[in-house]
Amino acid sequence: QKEVEQNSGPLSVPEGAIASLNCTYSDRGSQSFFWYRQYSGKSPELIMSIYSNGDKEDGRFTAQLNKASQYVSLLIRDSQPSDSATYLCAVNRMIKAAGNKLTFGGGTRVLVKP
Amino acid sequence: DTGVSQDPRHKITKRGQNVTFRCDPISEHNRLYWYRQTLGQGPEFLTYFQNEAQLEKSRLLSDRFSAERPKGSFSTLEIQRTEQGDSAMYLCASSFYELNYGYTFGSGTRLTVV
Repeated sequence: QKEVEQNSGPLSVPEGAIASLNCTYSDRGSQSFFWYRQYSGKSPELIMSIYSNGDKEDGRFTAQLNKASQYVSLLIRDSQPSDSATYLCAVNRMIKAAGNKLTFGGGTRVLVKP
Repeated sequence: DTGVSQDPRHKITKRGQNVTFRCDPISEHNRLYWYRQTLGQGPEFLTYFQNEAQLEKSRLLSDRFSAERPKGSFSTLEIQRTEQGDSAMYLCASSFYELNYGYTFGSGTRLTVV
């Protein structure tokens, strides 16, 4: 089992629709959760962070966290062609005594069609 | 200093040659991370520093790879005797001690071994 799993896609959505991305993680001790957007050939860009169960909204983006189910999701409302990118889920896995680091999923490719 | 800077952006090298990449983190960040990303995959952790101390190295970091952060500021990643399998995007990121703010990535160095 991978530590952080995502459906690789592509997830094809029509312009204006809601894109729903899912991510599951294996370490119950994980504390912080992040969504990064990565355009082709570019580096990842942080778009959302979430730490507590429930929903967190930021503009057209909503992150949802359910620690009991070890599940985090990202909703993109009113999807635009400029949202076409790969979305990476990242999880903070606490490493005993040495600090912590982010573990990334493989990413979900999103295509928004006009 | 507005972000994480990586140099060079692209590097083409012949198999067996040594290469060195540089990363300049955001000045207030005391943590610096190196990741590697191949096409269609998420970033894979290589190593990280807190100030000048290298706190963790991944199994992915064979003895041909070495990283330094001599004065707790910039970092270098060296790959000796490059192999075709080393071809990837090498990403540097920096963060505060507390990871709740996530990472800020640099633009990456694209390595092609021919």
